[in-house]
Amino acid sequence: DGGITQSPKYLFRKEGQNVTLSCEQNLNHDAMYWYRQDPGQGLRLIYYSQIVNDFQKGDIAEGYSVSREKKESFPLTVTSAQKNPTAFYLCASSIVPSGRDEQFFGPGTRLTVL
Amino acid sequence: QKEVEQNSGPLSVPEGAIASLNCTYSDRGSQSFFWYRQYSGKSPELIMFIYSNGDKEDGRFTAQLNKASQYVSLLIRDSQPSDSATYLCAVRETGANSKLTFGKGITLSVRP
Repeated sequence: DGGITQSPKYLFRKEGQNVTLSCEQNLNHDAMYWYRQDPGQGLRLIYYSQIVNDFQKGDIAEGYSVSREKKESFPLTVTSAQKNPTAFYLCASSIVPSGRDEQFFGPGTRLTVL
Repeated sequence: QKEVEQNSGPLSVPEGAIASLNCTYSDRGSQSFFWYRQYSGKSPELIMFIYSNGDKEDGRFTAQLNKASQYVSLLIRDSQPSDSATYLCAVRETGANSKLTFGKGITLSVRP
């Protein structure tokens, strides 16, 4: 089955702790994205990557870091510098656009700070 | 700051009615427009995309795009209780990258 997987589904973090969220896709998509969703809000872009070993900051990158060492994988680290990390985190992927593209989402990771 | 606005909800319609969801955007050069459906606690699912002015129909769903007025809408005909969800409008920014800007979403409730 082709698709996007995220793990874990639920994650609990203590104050001052770094945690890493996993995102893997086997769709052979070039571009991958991380979004954050807060209750009653739309999606806000954290980081995105259009090619291996390259990534760009989105609108709310502070307190987050990413890597793109493989085409299939785009892990997100939520660092202790992120002051309000409790949210629903969504990973997405798309074919690098030639002017038109659709993004497809993984099932998400719900992060809670204890 | 490029913005995508969705009319405030929630929206409630009776089963079998037409639900009309609207979205306006600020970037006049935007080329690609998407509607996602998100059930509570789940991730967004792409249900429609539209690139050209006019209407695009897919089953009970019709997307309408008017670039001159900078709005895109989604019509759901013969609404079913299973259509009850939050609908997110997304617009791809002008330029070489593939960033999407999302609206906050509108929650639709279909009453049996």
